[in-house]
Amino acid sequence: DGGITQSPKYLFRKEGQNVTLSCEQNLNHDAMYWYRQDPGQGLRLIYYSQIVNDFQKGDIAEGYSVSREKKESFPLTVTSAQKNPTAFYLCASSIGGGNSGNTIYFGEGSWLTVV
Amino acid sequence: AQSVTQPDIHITVSEGASLELRCNYSYGATPYLFWYVQSPGQGLQLLLKYFSGDTLVQGIKGFEAEFKRSQSSFNLRKPSVHWSDAAEYFCAVRNYGQNFVFGPGTRLSVLP
Repeated sequence: DGGITQSPKYLFRKEGQNVTLSCEQNLNHDAMYWYRQDPGQGLRLIYYSQIVNDFQKGDIAEGYSVSREKKESFPLTVTSAQKNPTAFYLCASSIGGGNSGNTIYFGEGSWLTVV
Repeated sequence: AQSVTQPDIHITVSEGASLELRCNYSYGATPYLFWYVQSPGQGLQLLLKYFSGDTLVQGIKGFEAEFKRSQSSFNLRKPSVHWSDAAEYFCAVRNYGQNFVFGPGTRLSVLP
């Protein structure tokens, strides 16, 4: 089935550790996104990529890093510089980038907890 | 900068009652408009979208939304709510050359 797969679903991080969240899509979409969602709040954009080997910072990029080496993959690394990483992380994709009204589709999310 | 407001943080309705969730946006032109639903601990699922044409759009699960340009609104409606509709609902807008902007969400509770 076509879709967006995020892994792991649940992840625990110790203080000072970097962790990487995986996001894979088989929808042949050019654009991919990472959002952070805190309990009872809306979505905040961390990073986005409109094409392979290119990505831009979103509204809350500090303490995060990404790569886009393949069209179908957009992993997010939560670094130790992110002081409050406990949150629900959502990966998303769309056919094109900002030059259209393309619909954005979401994965099932990953819960990250600092222990 | 464009923004999206959802005035109601939490709404409670009885099963079988009608529902209207409000969404307002601020932008000079007509944006692309979306409604998404999120069950606890899950990703967001697209309910419906408006790009152009008929201002009343139909979506999945019996939902519909009406675009009103004069009010900069895109309210979501359902004539009869089911218990399974309890979830978080997000309105989103997207303008040419820009990223999606999501509203803060409205949590819907359904009483039996």
